Amino acid sequence: SQQGEEDPQALSIQEGENATMNCSYKTSINNLQWYRQNSGRGLVHLILIRSNEREKHSGRLRVTLDTSKKSSSLLITASRAADTASYFCATGSGTYKYIFGTGTRLKVLA
Amino acid sequence: KAGVTQTPRYLIKTRGQQVTLSCSPISGHRSVSWYQQTPGQGLQFLFEYFSETQRNKGNFPGRFSGRQFSNSRSEMNVSTLELGDSALYLCASSPDRGSTGELFFGEGSRLTVL
Repeated sequence: SQQGEEDPQALSIQEGENATMNCSYKTSINNLQWYRQNSGRGLVHLILIRSNEREKHSGRLRVTLDTSKKSSSLLITASRAADTASYFCATGSGTYKYIFGTGTRLKVLA
Repeated sequence: KAGVTQTPRYLIKTRGQQVTLSCSPISGHRSVSWYQQTPGQGLQFLFEYFSETQRNKGNFPGRFSGRQFSNSRSEMNVSTLELGDSALYLCASSPDRGSTGELFFGEGSRLTVL
């Protein structure tokens, strides 16, 4: 089964609104990353947060990590139509492979 | 710096055939990982190569294999193709081993098995 499970599976918002998506995982991790995938293409790295960090920012992105709840959230502020994509969390646990979730499909309406 | 290059981008095969996919990592990157992406299962880890050695393997049958060359380029092979092997196969490279940092993905090879 997947280590990371994103929630919601799909999200539709208006341009300018904030988008929040969540990721839950099952085992201890070293770090957690978020990736974006435009339709049928490769994944693009967005942000990495280590297990000893609680919050991280990058531009319009804010990621939080709660290791006690084994969960993370990705907030995209002031969404744009270009943010329309699928978003995946990936957990690294020192076993030399990342475990990806099933993704959240975000649609930003202009 | 050139990104991760995967070839071919699209291919169609029939059941029972075999296929070889190629991945050229970013120059200087020594770790190459492969993932299978399907609509129902998301991204599933296939294997990781580092310094020409398979370091980790996912839960896939032996029909899925791979290798890495001395220049870090990697190939994966799927033999005796099944309909369920239809997927986007993604290659990712990183400077060093495994789950310590950012992965750089190629655009993928989309395999359709008829």
